[in-house]
Amino acid sequence: QVQLVQSGAEVKKPGASVKVSCKASGYTFTSYYMHWVRQAPGQGLEWMGIINPSGGSTSYAQKFQGRVTMTRDTSTSTVYMELSSLRSEDTAVYYCARDRNTLWDWGQGTLVTVSS
Amino acid sequence: QSALTQPASVSGSPGQSITISCTGTSSDVGSYNLVSWYQQHPGKAPKLMIYEGSKRPSGVSNRFSGSKSGNTASLTISGLQAEDEADYYCCSYAGSSTFWVFGGGTKLTVL
Repeated sequence: QVQLVQSGAEVKKPGASVKVSCKASGYTFTSYYMHWVRQAPGQGLEWMGIINPSGGSTSYAQKFQGRVTMTRDTSTSTVYMELSSLRSEDTAVYYCARDRNTLWDWGQGTLVTVSS
Repeated sequence: QSALTQPASVSGSPGQSITISCTGTSSDVGSYNLVSWYQQHPGKAPKLMIYEGSKRPSGVSNRFSGSKSGNTASLTISGLQAEDEADYYCCSYAGSSTFWVFGGGTKLTVL
C-alpha cells in the first residue's frame, strides 16, 4: 500500500530555514508528482507547490516563490521541502501528498514551529 | 482569504442529509472537472472523499456524493453519522499559473 512518511517536528528561530522530508513507498516513485500543503494552527489548507520526482521540475505558489525549494532523491524515494527566512506565520503542519490529478494520498504531517 | 468560498459551518442530525457548497470562479471550479473534497478529523491528515467532482475513491462510503453546477461545487452527505463530524475542504485545479486552490473549510457538526 502507498505510504508517505514524513520527518519529525521541528522548532526553528525566525530567519532560519527548515527542510522537511517525505519518504514514499508502495508505488513507483518517479511516476507521480508530489504536492506540498501547509495548515497553520486552527486554519485551512494552503497549497505550496508541486514537484515531478522524475525530472525534478517544480512549480510553486506565487506566495512562496523565492522562499521555497522542493527537491527529490530518487535513490531513496524521498522528496524534500525547504522553506527559508522563516517567520512566526510559517508555524504550521506541513503535508506532502501524492498527485493523481488530485491530492490523493497524504503524509502524516510535520509540525514546524517558528519561535524566538 | 481562501480562493474558494465555503460556509464556515453546517450541522445536521443523525440520519439527515447535508450539503456543503464550494464557490469558485470561471478560472477554477468552472473551468476544470478537477474538484475534490477532503475530510479532516482533528489532529489527522486530510482524507480524499471525492475527486473529479463526483467520483469516490475505493473504500469511501456511498453516502458521500459530489456535484458541480457552473462555478459552484457541492458535497452531499446522506444518512449522517456521528463519525462524519469533521472539517471538510474543497479543492480545485486553477490552471497553470495558480495551479491548485483550497476552500476555507467547513466544520460539520452532527447534533
